[in-house]
Amino acid sequence: SYELTQPLSVSVALGQTARLTCGGKNIGNKNVHWYQQKPGQAPVLVISRDSSRPSGIPERFSGSNSGNTATLTISRAQAGDEADYYCQVWDTNIAVFGGGTKLTVL
Amino acid sequence: QVQLVQSGAEVRKPGASVKVSCKVSGYTFTRYEINWVRQATGQGLEWMGWMNPNSGNPGYAQKFQGRVTMTRNASIGTVYMELGSLRSDDTAVYYCARGYNGMDVWGQGTAVTVSS
Repeated sequence: SYELTQPLSVSVALGQTARLTCGGKNIGNKNVHWYQQKPGQAPVLVISRDSSRPSGIPERFSGSNSGNTATLTISRAQAGDEADYYCQVWDTNIAVFGGGTKLTVL
Repeated sequence: QVQLVQSGAEVRKPGASVKVSCKVSGYTFTRYEINWVRQATGQGLEWMGWMNPNSGNPGYAQKFQGRVTMTRNASIGTVYMELGSLRSDDTAVYYCARGYNGMDVWGQGTAVTVSS
């Protein structure tokens, strides 16, 4: 079965750029979706299909996908960006989530 | 506005079953797939399966095959997820979520506790 690998945690200084990675075999051939989840809340879609931002998501959130790694980039990180982030792909009609990355804003 | 509203928290004993509902509003029910995703406390997101509301055809993750049943009532815009033979490690928050190209709308979650 297809697997997605995310670092357990990433730290970023306030106002700096955070890059969260999601590794998978030839993931560049798949559409990657990213979700933000804050404690006690349902996940929120922040990037769909590698790099599309849903309505209401700040331009500070961007995505890219190539080769074996997809990346969610959060520019000018704010305290409110502190959350868990999950990547997700579809593999033969099965949804696969990465294990999630906890982003800490210092 | 687009909403997915789930049924309330449930407590079950091991071996029992639970049925969670997800009522959609604000869009055409048959246009988007509905996924079911669960999350145990402190753990990540786990996809259980999905339902095509138009055809009524479900698709299940292999892990849950034989234990989960997803159905829908199109007349009231509601999708259901029933999980049987419950075990303590089924204790989790269960979410419904809309869509294939990114799950763009999520229900509020339903806490299911399995305890003797």
